[in-house]
Amino acid sequence: GAVVSQHPSRVICKSGTSVKIECRSLDFQATTMFWYRQFPKKSLMLMATSNEGSKATYEQGVEKDKFLINHASLTLSTLTVTSAHPEDSSFYICSARSLAGERNEQFFGPGTRLTVL
Amino acid sequence: GQNIDQPTEMTATEGAIVQINCTYQTSGFNGLFWYQQHAGEAPTFLSYNVLDGLEEKGRFSSFLSRSKGYSYLLLKELQMKDSASYLCAVMDSNYQLIWGAGTKLIIKP
Repeated sequence: GAVVSQHPSRVICKSGTSVKIECRSLDFQATTMFWYRQFPKKSLMLMATSNEGSKATYEQGVEKDKFLINHASLTLSTLTVTSAHPEDSSFYICSARSLAGERNEQFFGPGTRLTVL
Repeated sequence: GQNIDQPTEMTATEGAIVQINCTYQTSGFNGLFWYQQHAGEAPTFLSYNVLDGLEEKGRFSSFLSRSKGYSYLLLKELQMKDSASYLCAVMDSNYQLIWGAGTKLIIKP
């Protein structure tokens, strides 16, 4: 299957700082990338959908000024958590949908564990 | 509203068979996915059903009935490494994935 990478895999930061997470599709072009967060023992929660070259579509309740998404190319999307607070600590996962994808499958990155002190 | 239901937790014995059910109500249907997620890791794709019937892939099989809004994931010859959460997700008419809360499967020796 297609490969999606995420960087960093784990980050610890102080409250008030900003953290950038990168999501890359390594061997395919992704028209659409999705950003999820997952709290312990809970299911995935879609935060936003980003299409290359256009503004991201945020889910209800997700602050777009706090979670900045940039989908600059067909292989890269970034999520920046601005002025992070302890309640932002979570597991952030991106996924990408291929231009030529069969079955509309989404390929997931390995996730980023964010801990805000 | 859109809704995916699956059991919260199931327990099974190594070497046995387990069936994890999923029922859904969504606005439109463009396929149903099953993913496996080990603790602390991202989900990995297991199966995809868009037509009624059974799809078999090794020890894992997935069944779909669109008229009943129902799917199941069947795991045979269970191994300890199968202990994980199993997520059911339906792609709606907007090609958005609607996720179930996941079923935590515990395998006992």
